[in-house]
Amino acid sequence: KNQVEQSPQSLIILEGKNCTLQCNYTVSPFSNLRWYKQDTGRGPVSLTIMTFSENTKSNGRYTATLDADTKQSSLHITASQLSDSASYICVAARQLTFGSGTQLTVLP
Amino acid sequence: DGGITQSPKYLFRKEGQNVTLSCEQNLNHDAMYWYRQDPGQGLRLIYYSQIVNDFQKGDIAEGYSVSREKKESFPLTVTSAQKNPTAFYLCASSLRDRGSNQPQHFGDGTRLSIL
Repeated sequence: KNQVEQSPQSLIILEGKNCTLQCNYTVSPFSNLRWYKQDTGRGPVSLTIMTFSENTKSNGRYTATLDADTKQSSLHITASQLSDSASYICVAARQLTFGSGTQLTVLP
Repeated sequence: DGGITQSPKYLFRKEGQNVTLSCEQNLNHDAMYWYRQDPGQGLRLIYYSQIVNDFQKGDIAEGYSVSREKKESFPLTVTSAQKNPTAFYLCASSLRDRGSNQPQHFGDGTRLSIL
């Protein structure tokens, strides 16, 4: 059964601090790993897409890593801002299996 | 600006009633999708369409129906057979099918509740 597990479920950090979100996946076949940001009451927005041959990809203050051997990915957020408060969703393709997300809260 | 428009933002359904959620995109994308989002769960695929006049059931299609008569439009009908319809419904599109490396673009959702 295809599965994507994210940790932690929720995280609270202070503005300006860094944080790392984790994603473990078990999907077959595998083609790419995606990270999305979802603000409350809005649709998800794509942050990064990595194929199995890519180890890291950045989008501004967001940096995603992928280890296709261990089937793990992480999303690192640098110098967090209040606007980073959202749910971060990991998705494994080809079948587009979604994780349940990590709810990040950034406090002033 | 290109994007996906979902309407209405909020919808209420009475017992025994069918309701239709609208999804329109002007991104010229071939593939479109409907997802259901429940608290604490990942998005679950209801239906997807890779091309006009063709669509496939996703993981939780029972109680739902769709049509794809135009490339831009992919409406979802929640029928009375769907006994637990209260959820946040998201429509998405992508340039090519879900196996490609193209990102999905999402609308801002419709929240459906039971009266």
